[in-house]
Amino acid sequence: DTGVSQDPRHKITKRGQNVTFRCDPISEHNRLYWYRQTLGQGPEFLTYFQNEAQLEKSRLLSDRFSAERPKGSFSTLEIQRTEQGDSAMYLCASSIPGILREKLFFGSGTQLSVL
Amino acid sequence: AQTVTQSQPEMSVQEAETVTLSCTYDTSESDYYLFWYKQPPSRQMILVIRQEAYKQQNATENRFSVNFQKAAKSFSLKISDSQLGDAAMYFCASLDSGAGSYQLTFGKGTKLSVIP
Repeated sequence: DTGVSQDPRHKITKRGQNVTFRCDPISEHNRLYWYRQTLGQGPEFLTYFQNEAQLEKSRLLSDRFSAERPKGSFSTLEIQRTEQGDSAMYLCASSIPGILREKLFFGSGTQLSVL
Repeated sequence: AQTVTQSQPEMSVQEAETVTLSCTYDTSESDYYLFWYKQPPSRQMILVIRQEAYKQQNATENRFSVNFQKAAKSFSLKISDSQLGDAAMYFCASLDSGAGSYQLTFGKGTKLSVIP
């Protein structure tokens, strides 16, 4: 197991285009999180899944953003009609229940640049 | 809502010396967790150390230890015998464990440089 995997590592797009990112969590982890990190800031929570259910969403997740986790395995984050303000690094993390439930394992992120 | 404040945008330390990174937080919850994460140039956030608020004893992980002052809402990270590989961004974070939420709230980070 190589940890949390995110694809692509970098994405450059033009304003108004749609983009989709993928996250593959650690295989036995049933919890999956998306965070966004802009330059000079710490990560900000976007949304959280337990298995295939999306249980928590931040106000940052506007209606242009949608996240899915079909079958409780990998997850996708789609941004429609991208804006320059969407430029950021999008981080995915996963965790397991039990005493280590608060230990999040992060991927290396997808860096999005909107031109 | 929680807030986490890191007042030191940048810090530097000589190799083998000790450095302390500061963090203050604000929460209305009585049950919460505090974390320090390291983010090297590879961008992957790595958990350094974790503290449960109900525990009075300060957490330690090898060269890393915390000074948790619950009344002052302070949670500083001490790195002893600093190594070149410690150079990274360090983020303090909090999590309310009693509310059923799984949102980590991060500070803005402190960039640590290690001088050979």
